[in-house]
Amino acid sequence: EAQVTQNPRYLITVTGKKLTVTCSQNMNHEYMSWYRQDPGLGLRQIYYSMNVEVTDKGDVPEGYKVSRKEKRNFPLILESPSPNQTSLYFCASSPQTGTYGYTFGSGTRLTVV
Amino acid sequence: GEDVEQSLFLSVREGDSSVINCTYTDSSSTYLYWYKQEPGAGLQLLTYIFSNMDMKQDQRLTVLLNKKDKHLSLRIADTQTGDSAIYFCAERRTGANNLFFGTGTRLTVIP
Repeated sequence: EAQVTQNPRYLITVTGKKLTVTCSQNMNHEYMSWYRQDPGLGLRQIYYSMNVEVTDKGDVPEGYKVSRKEKRNFPLILESPSPNQTSLYFCASSPQTGTYGYTFGSGTRLTVV
Repeated sequence: GEDVEQSLFLSVREGDSSVINCTYTDSSSTYLYWYKQEPGAGLQLLTYIFSNMDMKQDQRLTVLLNKKDKHLSLRIADTQTGDSAIYFCAERRTGANNLFFGTGTRLTVIP
């Protein structure tokens, strides 16, 4: 089944403790992206990647890092999480061209205390 | 402005039509999308429309595009309780691979 898989689904952590949220897609998509969803703000893009070893900042990149060493994986790294990073996070992927919108993962709900 | 705008809430009675509206930002956006987010789930692509089209119909869904006013709407005919969800519009701006999303409209269907 074609899908984007995120892990974990839920995570509670403490301020300052480094964490990684994994994202993997099995559709051979070139493009991958991370969004955060907050009430009343919709989805805001954190980082995106056009292909392997090519990453770029979105609208709200502060406090986050990403890497794209392989085509299928695009992990999101929070080096020193803070409470304002409590949010619902989505990974998405798409082909580089064409009419397709994104395929989204099921989301990771992160709480930083 | 720079934001894709949507109303936050909409309530309709089961069997009625729902119309969800969206104002986007870039008059030369190439594709516009509607996504549905059910509780506890990710976003699911419902439909999309290319910018050279005025209307697209897909079963109970009708998308209308007014490029002059940068206005997009999604009409759901015969709305069912299973249509209760958050609906996001998104635009793909010229020269960009990224999608820019609205705030989402929470549709509540009253039995």
